[in-house]
Amino acid sequence: NAGVTQTPKFRVLKTGQSMTLLCAQDMNHEYMYWYRQDPGMGLRLIHYSVGEGTTAKGEVPDGYNVSRLKKQNFLLGLESAAPSQTSVYFCASRPTGTGNEQFFGPGTRLTVL
Amino acid sequence: GEDVEQSLFLSVREGDSSVINCTYTDSSSTYLYWYKQEPGAGLQLLTYIFSNMDMKQDQRLTVLLNKKDKHLSLRIADTQTGDSAIYFCAERSGGYNKLIFGAGTRLAVHP
Repeated sequence: NAGVTQTPKFRVLKTGQSMTLLCAQDMNHEYMYWYRQDPGMGLRLIHYSVGEGTTAKGEVPDGYNVSRLKKQNFLLGLESAAPSQTSVYFCASRPTGTGNEQFFGPGTRLTVL
Repeated sequence: GEDVEQSLFLSVREGDSSVINCTYTDSSSTYLYWYKQEPGAGLQLLTYIFSNMDMKQDQRLTVLLNKKDKHLSLRIADTQTGDSAIYFCAERSGGYNKLIFGAGTRLAVHP
């Protein structure tokens, strides 16, 4: 199993450009999450999904959209990137059941100029 | 709202014990987690504790939970250079296993 993979690993955007970050998991997990990590702030939840075709807002959803058309993929979109979205983005997934850990991808480092 | 706080930096000598502390605010949290992040990598679960437990031991790791004070600690015995990383405390809050993370404690191990 590859686990949780993220594409791309690095990206530089200009303000106003759009892009999509892809998260894929091959563990048949129901739940998937997108976080952003900023210095001194830990991880903050952007959006999450509890199953194929469903999405929900997390703690910091503004400026982002997500889609979960297939169970194994969770896409994070930035329609018009802003410098405040410069961050490291982590995707995670977990199976159903209480207490189950979230498995994290390696992260995508995004810089918006 | 929910909040998790940790000290940002800890430096220890190789072979000593490390203790990383965390406080949280959501008294209804059922699970509390410790994750480890090595440079350039994602987060990896180290251990977790259920809220009805006071202590959990797993090889060199000991987790202590004081539910009354909402205080969680991670003790690493015989700390090695390979333990150098950022350690995140997280509480499970609300539905769908949403995790609230602390800012992370950077552990530096020196000879």
